[in-house]
Amino acid sequence: QVQLQESGPGLVKPSETLSLTCAVFGASISSDNWWSWVRQPPGKGLEWIGEIYHTGGTNYNPSLKSRLIMSVDKSRQQLSLMLASVTAADTAVYYCARGGTGTTSAVLAYWGQGALVTVSS
Amino acid sequence: DIQMTQSPSTLSASVGDRVTITCRASQSINSWLAWYQQKPGKAPKLLIYKASSLESGVPSRFSGSGSGTEFTLTISSLQPDDFATYYCQQYHSSWRTFGQGTEVGIK
Repeated sequence: QVQLQESGPGLVKPSETLSLTCAVFGASISSDNWWSWVRQPPGKGLEWIGEIYHTGGTNYNPSLKSRLIMSVDKSRQQLSLMLASVTAADTAVYYCARGGTGTTSAVLAYWGQGALVTVSS
Repeated sequence: DIQMTQSPSTLSASVGDRVTITCRASQSINSWLAWYQQKPGKAPKLLIYKASSLESGVPSRFSGSGSGTEFTLTISSLQPDDFATYYCQQYHSSWRTFGQGTEVGIK
């Protein structure tokens, strides 16, 4: 049973960097799957942030690309997300999710429970 | 980016109703479309991928159809557990995008 668990500070100050990790259980982070991040502002819809493969290959949302870094730590079976220069608009629940392989790399069958990050001074 | 537009944004229905949600893409995405269900405070759940393929474990009352720019999600007989928000997602473009969501409420 694949399980994903996001963690990180729930409060980040404006202009600082948001950092989250996603622990992966029940599956190898080195499997032939892509790993995605999706966010959801309170009361709003879903926004795709980006995806990463265990080799380090990435695919980012162009609207966030200049502020975004994703990484994989194979030894810890963890994903990481860093979003720089945050503003109140980055306040959201952040989800990590596992995609499929090949043409289904962005089809997200497994999700974490989400982590709420609030940007406020 | 490819814009995904869902209609309606909200709908009210009764248990047993047939419900149809439409998702339109701003350009052709072939069949690279997924549907998700989300309940308040929970992560989305995958229902359908490649426009019409039912994810394992999803009840057969859910079905998807369409290709190109127009897609539908149909619930053949709405059940109490189906009251939720539904999102489409295209994965034709490397910039994946979601529709704005359709909230299915109780009439």
